[in-house]
Amino acid sequence: DTEVTQTPKHLVMGMTNKKSLKCEQHMGHRAMYWYKQKAKKPPELMFVYSYEKLSINESVPSRFSPECPNSSLLNLHLHALQPEDSALYLCASSQEQTTNYGYTFGSGTRLTVV
Amino acid sequence: AQSVAQPEDQVNVAEGNPLTVKCTYSVSGNPYLFWYVQYPNRGLQFLLKYITGDNLVKGSYGFEAEFNKSQTSFHLKKPSALVSDSALYFCAVRDGGTGFQKLVFGTGTRLLVSP
Repeated sequence: DTEVTQTPKHLVMGMTNKKSLKCEQHMGHRAMYWYKQKAKKPPELMFVYSYEKLSINESVPSRFSPECPNSSLLNLHLHALQPEDSALYLCASSQEQTTNYGYTFGSGTRLTVV
Repeated sequence: AQSVAQPEDQVNVAEGNPLTVKCTYSVSGNPYLFWYVQYPNRGLQFLLKYITGDNLVKGSYGFEAEFNKSQTSFHLKKPSALVSDSALYFCAVRDGGTGFQKLVFGTGTRLLVSP
């Protein structure tokens, strides 16, 4: 298995809702990442987990809450989002955080906040 | 901090012609450079990387990139473009110290290959 799987592919949520994005990989990678991408813009790093511990938080608002239950799973919990949080949320993984091999990306979750 | 710049928002090329997508880098120390491609509503796909060694790096789908230290460039090239190559291309650099590294992306270049 050489894929990163993200669910759901599309999500529409209200500003008072609580939802979660899920990411899964079975490549034995020990680093996992959340990126946010607005239309026609590059991906922007949000969080990095290395060996299931939070390694980098790029000053992301607390309405985004990451969780890494085990080495294969990465969740992003969403609460009280704003319309400007609408974006493509990408999950990625790599063998290690200090990798020479680049990242494997999932196809993303298209989030719309109404 | 390490960074990359992609000076062109869009590159237009006719099918069958060679293509070049430009990237320049600004790093301290040895650069770790990558190219990714993104098709509409999809994640990023890895094309190739430069870590060390030969300045001409070969990657997926017939793409290659030339690392030029004197010009601090890492341009993506393909000898003969296909319509299916039309996509968004990102150059990226590895940034950060030991244990806290991350990929930082350029602003992206849209490649449009016309039939």
